[in-house]
Amino acid sequence: DAKTTQPNSMESNEEEPVHLPCNHSTISGTDYIHWYRQLPSQGPEYVIHGLTSNVNNRMASLAIAEDRKSSTLILHRATLRDAAVYYCILDNAGGTSYGKLTFGQGTILTVHP
Amino acid sequence: NAGVTQTPKFQVLKTGQSMTLQCAQDMNHNSMYWYRQDPGMGLRLIYYSASEGTTDKGEVPNGYNVSRLNKREFSLRLESAAPSQTSVYFCASRLDYYNEQFFGPGTRLTVL
Repeated sequence: DAKTTQPNSMESNEEEPVHLPCNHSTISGTDYIHWYRQLPSQGPEYVIHGLTSNVNNRMASLAIAEDRKSSTLILHRATLRDAAVYYCILDNAGGTSYGKLTFGQGTILTVHP
Repeated sequence: NAGVTQTPKFQVLKTGQSMTLQCAQDMNHNSMYWYRQDPGMGLRLIYYSASEGTTDKGEVPNGYNVSRLNKREFSLRLESAAPSQTSVYFCASRLDYYNEQFFGPGTRLTVL
């Protein structure tokens, strides 16, 4: 399975943008890049995903490098509620993965008031 | 929609006791998953059910069994609980492999 590498932790100030990086140098052509986050004492929640093109939704933006070996999750204006562990996951839709997700350690995001 | 629900929220067992964790989803999803999360760690897959009527082992299946009772429900059973199974257990479901997984709130299990 292709793996991802993320920084252990990052810090931000409230209302500032946050860029969370993820390296995935062994990504295959059919791997989608997914981001989930886990707020304290809760189950993970989906944030965004993409294949090749940059993606935007109401929560965040996903910027994917042209060679797809790295990506960045962008929170445009961090709030205190964005403090969470952020997981970057490669998801090979279909095939033999059956939709299973492999979670790494993720990045702990701290947001300061 | 309630999404993914799990019962119980908390449970304390003694070593050797058995119990079943219940999970249900009301989104008509095809695939369902059980994960465990130990303190300070990411989630690890225990078992999954790609579709109704099928189940398969994940990364850490030892000591667990599962039943996909119907399309809505996917239960996880501990036959003889051990302290190493102290963890938070999350159930998740997914419509298909191109959409996101939805997670339940978790069951916090302590085995003494």
